[in-house]
Amino acid sequence: AQSVAQPEDQVNVAEGNPLTVKCTYSVSGNPYLFWYVQYPNRGLQFLLKYITGDNLVKGSYGFEAEFNKSQTSFHLKKPSALVSDSALYFCAVRYLDRGSTLGRLYFGRGTQLTVWP
Amino acid sequence: EAEVAQSPRYKITEKSQAVAFWCDPISGHATLYWYRQILGQGPELLVQFQDESVVDDSQLPKDRFSAERLKGVDSTLKIQPAELGDSAMYLCASSLVYPPEQYFGPGTRLTVT
Repeated sequence: AQSVAQPEDQVNVAEGNPLTVKCTYSVSGNPYLFWYVQYPNRGLQFLLKYITGDNLVKGSYGFEAEFNKSQTSFHLKKPSALVSDSALYFCAVRYLDRGSTLGRLYFGRGTQLTVWP
Repeated sequence: EAEVAQSPRYKITEKSQAVAFWCDPISGHATLYWYRQILGQGPELLVQFQDESVVDDSQLPKDRFSAERLKGVDSTLKIQPAELGDSAMYLCASSLVYPPEQYFGPGTRLTVT
């Protein structure tokens, strides 16, 4: 079965410190992995994706994520957090159904990141 | 920068009434998605279109929900009759076939009283 786990409901970090938001997935085959951010009463904004290639991918606003196939993880990271990074972060995995080029996206429950001054 | 448009942004309706949401995807995006996001959870796919055809509606409650994309561009999601449990954020997204990332609209916050 396809699933995405975000083990932390909340992550709190001081401004200027590095941040990590964790994500693990369970899916067969080679997944596409994504991170999105959501601000209050807004839609989701795409941050970055992993499809193939280098395990460290860089995205918007200084975020990056590391794909680890052996640990089935795709943790989101930023070297120096900003107060404006405070938001809800979602990890998502796309699984390509057999015989189809169209795959549905499965989202985690989200992690609320709070960066305090 | 092109964006996905949705309207209305907020909708309050009484249970048993009909409600409709509209979405205009990014120009050129053949794939359109409708998601429902319950507070405290991630979005869940309701229906996916490729051009004007439905390719995945396995999670759509078809007894009360319907979706159409008649000309393969904008789309409408309808609920009739609305129930209290339908209160949620309804998100529309669009994408190219490749690259696969989806771009989301601002959503419609539905409250059923």
